[in-house]
Amino acid sequence: QKEVEQNSGPLSVPEGAIASLNCTYSDRGSQSFFWYRQYSGKSPELIMSIYSNGDKEDGRFTAQLNKASQYVSLLIRDSQPSDSATYLCAVNLAEDYKLSFGAGTTVTVRA
Amino acid sequence: NAGVTQTPKFRILKIGQSMTLQCTQDMNHNYMYWYRQDPGMGLKLIYYSVGAGITDKGEVPNGYNVSRSTTEDFPLRLELAAPSQTSVYFCASSSYRGAYYEQYFGPGTRLTVT
Repeated sequence: QKEVEQNSGPLSVPEGAIASLNCTYSDRGSQSFFWYRQYSGKSPELIMSIYSNGDKEDGRFTAQLNKASQYVSLLIRDSQPSDSATYLCAVNLAEDYKLSFGAGTTVTVRA
Repeated sequence: NAGVTQTPKFRILKIGQSMTLQCTQDMNHNYMYWYRQDPGMGLKLIYYSVGAGITDKGEVPNGYNVSRSTTEDFPLRLELAAPSQTSVYFCASSSYRGAYYEQYFGPGTRLTVT
């Protein structure tokens, strides 16, 4: 079983809609969770960090964490063409400085 | 504040050649990492360092070496390039934020071995 799994893409959503990305992880000791956005040909950019159960909102982005079910999700509200990218989920253990990454979900926002 | 910088941006190597990928960060981060990313795949950790003089292997260290003589620099060395090392290489650094470590990435080096 992979440590971090993301829903397979690509995900195509119309402009203005909500894009929903899911990520599950295998290690129950995982404590902090990250979403990175990666445009084609560019490096990953950190967009959300979350380590407590519940929701965390930042602009049009909402991260949701459920440690009991071992999943973390990212919602992109009012999707824009500029949101078209690959989104990487990353997980680490308590006070562990290494991250485990999922393979990514590619999102395309169509005008 | 330049963040994490990497050189070169692109490189083509012949099989058996050697090269060093450079990585520098100006954020005074203790932790630094090297990843490779193959098409359609996530990031695989090659090596990491928790401070000057301390390095350790990640998931895929074979064929690579690292050193960390200063806090700022973390070069990655390929000794005998092989086609399997064709990939995009990212360097990252992180700091402790009180509850977790956030990693920040450099722009990457696209390497082709032919």
